[in-house]
Amino acid sequence: AQSVSQHNHHVILSEAASLELGCNYSYGGTVNLFWYVQYPGQHLQLLLKYFSGDPLVKGIKGFEAEFIKSKFSFNLRKPSVQWSDTAEYFCAVSPGGSYIPTFGRGTSLIVHP
Amino acid sequence: GAGVSQSPSNKVTEKGKDVELRCDPISGHTALYWYRQSLGQGLEFLIYFQGNSAPDKSGLPSDRFSAERTGGSVSTLTIQRTQQEDSAVYLCASSTLFRGEGGYTFGSGTRLTVV
Repeated sequence: AQSVSQHNHHVILSEAASLELGCNYSYGGTVNLFWYVQYPGQHLQLLLKYFSGDPLVKGIKGFEAEFIKSKFSFNLRKPSVQWSDTAEYFCAVSPGGSYIPTFGRGTSLIVHP
Repeated sequence: GAGVSQSPSNKVTEKGKDVELRCDPISGHTALYWYRQSLGQGLEFLIYFQGNSAPDKSGLPSDRFSAERTGGSVSTLTIQRTQQEDSAVYLCASSTLFRGEGGYTFGSGTRLTVV
């Protein structure tokens, strides 16, 4: 069965610091990749997704992620975080042709002003 | 509606009672998913509907859990004889048919507490 690993469970940063959250998956075939964000008290929202094409994907709010097939990774990055980025971040992967995404355990990001 | 609607938003129930959780997906979204989010855990897949049929029930944790979807729209997740370990946030998501290319839209969830 496929699995999704988010190695950083808790990340604490100061405003303006750069962010990189790791995501690795175990499936060997074609995959669809997602990052979701859950702000405190709110529902999960899609940040960005990759299906095909340019492996560097740009999402909302200045976030981007790079799909590196050889490393089975889809890390999320932001060059300069803001206090409002404090949230839980989830990586999700679904095999190509599958309708069911598998989610990682999430990374809690706290940004100090 | 504009988003995925779940009700109730909070539910406290006594151990051994049955509960029903409701999900109203985005109009026109043919795929509907139920996930469970426990404290400190990721999202655990429960069941997926394509239209009214459920091709994959593999995630349901026990036979106390069941779900149905009618009219290709509203879905109900039922938990019978609730146990304390059922306490979690139950999330519903919907997407268009094509592999979720538009992403999966989530509801706000139902927080279930079994006491």
